[in-house]
Amino acid sequence: NAGVTQTPKFQVLKTGQSMTLQCAQDMNHNSMYWYRQDPGMGLRLIYYSASEGTTDKGEVPNGYNVSRLNKREFSLRLESAAPSQTSVYFCASSLTTGGTEAFFGQGTRLTVV
Amino acid sequence: AQRVTQPEKLLSVFKGAPVELKCNYSYSGSPELFWYVQYSRQRLQLLLRHISRESIKGFTADLNKGETSFHLKKPFAQEEDSAMYYCALSGRNTGFQKLVFGTGTRLLVSP
Repeated sequence: NAGVTQTPKFQVLKTGQSMTLQCAQDMNHNSMYWYRQDPGMGLRLIYYSASEGTTDKGEVPNGYNVSRLNKREFSLRLESAAPSQTSVYFCASSLTTGGTEAFFGQGTRLTVV
Repeated sequence: AQRVTQPEKLLSVFKGAPVELKCNYSYSGSPELFWYVQYSRQRLQLLLRHISRESIKGFTADLNKGETSFHLKKPFAQEEDSAMYYCALSGRNTGFQKLVFGTGTRLLVSP
């Protein structure tokens, strides 16, 4: 029972490099999210997808793009990584709207040097 | 604007002592409030939500609309309660499915 799976778990990038963080859920959830977690700032929403085929900006979308590939998968892309994007990234999913429980992946620790 | 405030970055208590992790929010309307917990080397997970009015692992939280608070309480802390705790809200103004998180409080329970 995998739940929400993120890859990779760790990544080091040089400034200017690009990469894609992958996320997949096997719970048939409609909504998926990408958060970043920084010390003293909690979790901040980057992008979310309320349902398959839709994506919307969250609180801190600059420097990121997302793709809701299908109902299961929601990827986050950094086109030109910057040191300010050093963070722990979490993917999450929830069944639908209306205050339902969000299930989180194990996180990706990204360092941009 | 919707906002969740957790004033304490760190709360350190001894085993058996009462615990109260504070959470205040600002929201126009009726929010739904949650507490999420992240134990060491584990993923973030839901601890409890106000609509359920349940006690999980001895923790309870009551929504006080007058004080706009949703404090998490436990009468007798255990060492295994040591973790990072996040208060979160969602509602019509946030788009329901979007959770707005506080900055988190690290609870450290010492023997």
